[in-house]
Amino acid sequence: GENVEQHPSTLSVQEGDSAVIKCTYSDSASNYFPWYKQELGKGPQLIIDIRSNVGEKKDQRIAVTLNKTAKHFSLHITETQPEDSAVYFCAASIEAGTALIFGKGTTLSVSS
Amino acid sequence: DGGITQSPKYLFRKEGQNVTLSCEQNLNHDAMYWYRQDPGQGLRLIYYSQIVNDFQKGDIAEGYSVSREKKESFPLTVTSAQKNPTAFYLCASSMQGGIEKLFFGSGTQLSVL
Repeated sequence: GENVEQHPSTLSVQEGDSAVIKCTYSDSASNYFPWYKQELGKGPQLIIDIRSNVGEKKDQRIAVTLNKTAKHFSLHITETQPEDSAVYFCAASIEAGTALIFGKGTTLSVSS
Repeated sequence: DGGITQSPKYLFRKEGQNVTLSCEQNLNHDAMYWYRQDPGQGLRLIYYSQIVNDFQKGDIAEGYSVSREKKESFPLTVTSAQKNPTAFYLCASSMQGGIEKLFFGSGTQLSVL
């Protein structure tokens, strides 16, 4: 089955810096790659997603890139703010009717 | 407001006891899921259901059971066979399984007395 590796497990940046989180997946048939943000004591929320027919997607300060050949995808956050501090999860799935497989998460800390 | 509701927020289990976690959604979603979250382990899939009266095992189904008698409800029972049940349990739903946005509940923290 699918396996998703996520790095780094923790990331500390200064406010205004950029943050990059990387994930690799094992099943070349995977075609949907979302990113979720989880704040303390809450359930994760989708922040951005990308499908295999697209190489890059951007939404304000957040962007995701996908390299299907290398089987990896990355989350980029620019101009980080303290409210970006949270746990971020990447995930992958193969097709409709299956379930998302998540990475182990990255704890991002943004200090002001 | 539409959403997904988990209850209770905190739950305690005694040795040998089965406990049931509730998950209800009013989003009219077909697919529902249970994930277990342990520190440093990410979200691991326990069970999922694409349609009423049907469900599939995830990666860590042993010691758990589910039912899907209604579209809105997907309760999870943690049985006495689950020897390490202490974790944060998250329920989620989506319009169509696998390739669509997941909506998560706020979770249930289960602890062993």
